[in-house]
Amino acid sequence: NAGVTQTPKFQVLKTGQSMTLQCAQDMNHEYMSWYRQDPGMGLRLIHYSVGAGITDQGEVPNGYNVSRSTTEDFPLRLLSAAPSQTSVYFCASSSLLAGGPYEQYFGPGTRLTVT
Amino acid sequence: AQTVTQSQPEMSVQEAETVTLSCTYDTSESNYYLFWYKQPPSRQMILVIRQEAYKQQNATENRFSVNFQKAAKSFSLKISDSQLGDTAMYFCAFTLTSGTYKYIFGTGTRLKVLA
Repeated sequence: NAGVTQTPKFQVLKTGQSMTLQCAQDMNHEYMSWYRQDPGMGLRLIHYSVGAGITDQGEVPNGYNVSRSTTEDFPLRLLSAAPSQTSVYFCASSSLLAGGPYEQYFGPGTRLTVT
Repeated sequence: AQTVTQSQPEMSVQEAETVTLSCTYDTSESNYYLFWYKQPPSRQMILVIRQEAYKQQNATENRFSVNFQKAAKSFSLKISDSQLGDTAMYFCAFTLTSGTYKYIFGTGTRLKVLA
């Protein structure tokens, strides 16, 4: 049972480049989410999904796209990277207990630098 | 909108002593979950303790306990017999049991346990 996996662990991009951060979970969780972590700002929700084919915006969605074609996978796409997107990115998953996300299981994070 | 506030950016405690981390939240809803997560230097996010709002009894997990004051919208974490391995960032988090599916994190408290 691998839990939540994220690739890559580190990435350097040039401004304007695109890339996809991969996230997968093997716990059959309905809920998956992406966060960015910046110093002094905690974790901020980018996008989330409550099941295959269903996604919604979080607190800071601009510049990011997501899709959820399977229960297991929830990739995050940066279409045109900007220096403001330099951050640590976490993917997480959770079962939907009594209607809402419960304990979240986190991946190890991706440190992204945009130059 | 729901908010989570952690007013102590940094704290320190002597090994074996007790420390309390503060968290307040704001919501007009009555059904929700509250969590404390730990992020050690490895960057991996780990659940420390959770509390369901409908439960009056404060949650306890070994050396970790919470003081949940629903009317005051306060959710503090007490760490007893602090150990060097408790050195980490601690995040308070909130989610509703239904509706928005958004998980809200505070900005974190950096705890250092001193030998």
